[in-house]
Formats: sequence, structure tokens, C-alpha cells
Amino acid sequence: DIQMTQSPSTLSASVGDRVTITCRASQSVGSWLAWYQQKPGKAPKVLIYKASSLESGVPSRFSGSGSGTDFTLTISSLQPDDFATYYCQQYNSSPLTFGGGTKVEIK
Amino acid sequence: DVQLVESGGGLVQPGGSLRLSCAASGFTFSRYYMHWVRQAPGKGLVWVSRINSDGTTTTYADSVKGRFTISRDNAKNTLYLQMNSLRAEDTAVYYCTRAGGSSWPDNNWFDPWGQGILVTVSS
Repeated sequence: DIQMTQSPSTLSASVGDRVTITCRASQSVGSWLAWYQQKPGKAPKVLIYKASSLESGVPSRFSGSGSGTDFTLTISSLQPDDFATYYCQQYNSSPLTFGGGTKVEIK
Repeated sequence: DVQLVESGGGLVQPGGSLRLSCAASGFTFSRYYMHWVRQAPGKGLVWVSRINSDGTTTTYADSVKGRFTISRDNAKNTLYLQMNSLRAEDTAVYYCTRAGGSSWPDNNWFDPWGQGILVTVSS
């Protein structure tokens, strides 16, 4: 199974900050990586697929990059609505696996 | 609007069974792979199972293989998860989710998601 490791697990930031979350795969997943945002008590919502493709309707302050084993999700200017937990997910091979999550908190 | 609505959750004793349903609307259900993903209380997301568009191919996480069965009825636009021999560690919110696209590799990321249904396994 491909292990997905996210860092940091928790991140404290202020509105307007640039935020970067890292996801590392235990073996290459090519560009087959998605990012999700989840708010408390709600279902996850996809932000990015194929490592860098922005899902329709997602604000352009979100961006993704990387390939192979190392990926990043960047929020260019953190907004109040962005305080949530973020997960990466590889879909290169089964079983499909998620990172452990990164909680973005208010500083 | 695309909508996925889960039902059938609840409290069940260890060793018991439960069948989850997911009613889909707003898209051509028969064109998409479907998945179940679960989330234990306070924990992260875990993929559980996948079924292809015509229901002929299924895949499972090792943790549920042999105990859970995914199926679908394309005439009723409904996805199912039959869960047998339930264990305490199966306690989670179960999400029904559609594949992000209708062809490979977009079969294997998830968009959208249902609201989730809680399954509690306890005596």
C-alpha cells in the first residue's frame, strides 16, 4: 500500500497569510493526487485533482503542485472560510489512500 | 444539482449486520464509479470500497474484505454497502461518494460526497 504523509499535522496561521501544506507518498504516484477540505461535521470537498488542476468553483487562492512523491497545497492568502482540515489522497493504485490530515487553525 | 443521500446507519451489536444505501440524483448514475469512504470519530479519512459503473467489478480495503459487499442498482440510482460481522473498529461516519470523472484515472478521486451516515458498533 502507498503511505501518504502530510506535514504539518496542525498549522496556526492568520488571515492573509500564505499557507503551504506538504504531502509525501511512500512511492511515486505520478500526478494522481487530489486535495480535499473538510470542515467540522461536514463532508469533504475536493479542491485539487491531478496534483494541480483546480476543481470548478474553487477559489483561485488554492493551488497544488508536485509530482512523483512530493506535493504541496498552497493557499496564497488565507481567508476566514479556509480554517479547516485538509487531506491529500493518491489515486495511482489501490488501495486508495489518504494522508493523515492537516488542521489549519486561527493564530 | 448532484446529490447523494445516505441512509441505513445506526447502532448495531458486534457481529451484527447493517445495510447502507445511497440515493443518487442530478447525474447519470450508470456512467460513474462509486465509492464508500469512512471516518472514525476524530480520525482521518479511509477508503473502504469501489464499484465500477455497471457493477461488475468491486474492490475493497483489506480491513473490510470478506465482510462488506458493495453493490448498485442503476435502475434505482442507488448504491449499497452490506456490512456483516461488524466490529467496534468499524464505528465511523460512512460517506457515499462519486468518482470525480467518468473515465480512468478520474474514477478514483471523489466528488461530490454525501452528508455521511453514522454507524456505531457497540454492545
